Amino acid sequence: AQTVTQSQPEMSVQEAETVTLSCTYDTSENNYYLFWYKQPPSRQMILVIRQEAYKQQNATENRFSVNFQKAAKSFSLKISDSQLGDTAMYFCALVSGTYKYIFGTGTRLKVLA
Amino acid sequence: NAGVTQTPKFQVLKTGQSMTLQCAQDMNHEYMSWYRQDPGMGLRLIHYSVGAGITDQGEVPNGYNVSRSTTEDFPLRLLSAAPSQTSVYFCASSIVRGGLNEQFFGPGTRLTVL
Repeated sequence: AQTVTQSQPEMSVQEAETVTLSCTYDTSENNYYLFWYKQPPSRQMILVIRQEAYKQQNATENRFSVNFQKAAKSFSLKISDSQLGDTAMYFCALVSGTYKYIFGTGTRLKVLA
Repeated sequence: NAGVTQTPKFQVLKTGQSMTLQCAQDMNHEYMSWYRQDPGMGLRLIHYSVGAGITDQGEVPNGYNVSRSTTEDFPLRLLSAAPSQTSVYFCASSIVRGGLNEQFFGPGTRLTVL
C-alpha cells in the first residue's frame, strides 16, 4: 500500500524567513510523481510544485523548492522569504502507476507579521 | 475555460435526506474523482472514473453513488445522508500528459448533515 505522511500538523514562521515542511512517503513503484498543494482559507486546492521521481534535480518554482531524497523517500517543501499570503494548509501528495492520488494529512502553516 | 465547477458551494441536510453534488469540467479530461476532506485526515478518495461509463470505488465509497454518462459531468449522490458525511467535498479532473497525471480541483462543497 502507498502512504504519505506529514508529521507536522502546525507550523509558524516569521514573515521574510524560511520554513521547511516535511513529507515522507512509501511506494513500491519506480515511476511516480510527488506534489505539494496549497489550500488557503478560500478552500481552493492550488498546485505549488511537482517532482518527477525519475528526475534527480530538485524542482523549484520561484520561492518554493523541494528537497527530494528518493532513497529516503522524503519530499520536503522549502518556502523562502515567507509572505503573509503563504498562510494556508499544505498537502503532500503521491501518484504512481494508477490514477489514484494519495494525500498526506496536511500541515497548517501560519506566517506571522 | 471554466475548469472544474461544483454546485452547490454550501448545503445543509437533515439525516436521511438525499441530494446530488454536481461536478462538471470543460477540459475534456478523461479522469474525474470525488474526495472528501475531514480535519486531520487530508483528502480521501470516494469514487473515481477513468472515462464515460466507467466508475470505480476509492478509499471511502460507502453511502455514495456516482455515474459518468458524459465526459463532462460526474455527479456524486448521497442516498440517505448521515451526520458522518458532514465534510468538504472536492471534485477533480485530470489528464495524463507525457506520463504525468496532473489533477485540477473544483472549489469544493461544504456539506453539513444535521
